[in-house]
This record gives sequence, C-alpha cells and structure tokens, in this order.
Amino acid sequence: ETGVTQTPRHLVMGMTNKKSLKCEQHLGHNAMYWYKQSAKKPLELMFVYSLEERVENNSVPSRFSPECPNSSHLFLHLHTLQPEDSALYLCASSRDAVFTDTQYFGPGTRLTVL
Amino acid sequence: TQLLEQSPQFLSIQEGENLTVYCNSSSVFSSLQWYRQEPGEGPVLLVTVVTGGEVKKLKRLTFQFGDARKDSSLHITAAQTGDTGLYLCAGAPVNYGQNFVFGPGTRLSVLP
Repeated sequence: ETGVTQTPRHLVMGMTNKKSLKCEQHLGHNAMYWYKQSAKKPLELMFVYSLEERVENNSVPSRFSPECPNSSHLFLHLHTLQPEDSALYLCASSRDAVFTDTQYFGPGTRLTVL
Repeated sequence: TQLLEQSPQFLSIQEGENLTVYCNSSSVFSSLQWYRQEPGEGPVLLVTVVTGGEVKKLKRLTFQFGDARKDSSLHITAAQTGDTGLYLCAGAPVNYGQNFVFGPGTRLSVLP
C-alpha cells in the first residue's frame, strides 16, 4: 500500500477530447509530482507542487495543465493532445519538495491518444 | 545525452544466478536512489546511497555508490523470479539545480 492512488488506471482519448487525471495521497505529504514515462525515454519530471504551489515546470507543453487544490489532491488536465503524448503518467508524493526525500509513486494512468 | 546511463538495458537470467546492473554518469550526484518498478505499478524505492564508497545491503541486494559519486551498482545474489522488474536509478546532480533525473532503467527477467 503506497498511499498514493490514481484514477483512471487506463484512458483512451481522441486528440480533440478534454480529460483529467486524478491523484490522491493519504500520507500527509506536502509535495506532489507528475511524471511521464514513455517507452522511448526515461521517466520525465513534469510538474512539482509544494504546499499547493507549483515550484517546478520542466518546459511541459501547455496542453498539459496541472491543478493542486490542496496538499492531498493533484490533477492533470489534458486537452488537444497528440499521439506522442501516449504514455504512463505517474503521480508521486514526498514529505517535502526536497529531492532527497523518499518519493512514493502511484500505480499510474496508462494514456492512449488516438 | 542522458545524465544517467544504465547498463545493461535488458537482462534475462535463470533463477539462482547472480547479476550486477550499473548506473553511470559524468556528473557528480549528492545521492543516488534505486527503484524497482513492476508491470502495472509505479516505482518503489529500494535504497538511497549518499556517501562516496558507501555499500548498503538489503537481503540479497547489494548497492554501491562510487567513490567519486558518479556511478552506482546493484548486485543481486541468487536471483528469484520475484526480482523481475525494471530497475531505475535516480538522483539530483550537484550542478543541476533541484532537478531530479531518472536513468532509462534495466529490465530484468528472472526465469524459473
């Protein structure tokens, strides 16, 4: 039990759709992260939130829009995606946004863009 | 060019064999972490090494951090089918701000 849940586990969407990924952590952590894992690249850090404020945005296209309404919930809003955005999207949390802190990952959302 | 390289990319062995996988960089890291990721799941932290030359043991797994803190190895003794998975190393390079990077991983298959 990692304490980090993600929904949905699988998502298929067309390029014109709008969808959202949800992450929830039950660990009382202050930091949350979105990562992208694709077959051809290593895990890529997309966004970092600390105490509900975005502290890192690694040049992610604007078709990905994160939202952190409170320290337990993190969303990734998706619109007009491209087929190359198909990947496993992983959420993680840690006690604080210090990268030496242990990050606990959710099981991921497998996204397919048609 | 990736900051962290891992080798081999794929490894398939028989149960009971020993193996070593490597994580290398030209950059210095304040610490390195090893994760294992099983199909359909997120990565799970195995260990963090912080001191150059450090060796940590976790049952049949032995982790070593290079003296110069640029590389690390993971040795598994008497592999079991439950060791199957993707092994990832990760860390924050000293001169790379707060960015945290992952290696591409070694995909290990342990056959019965």
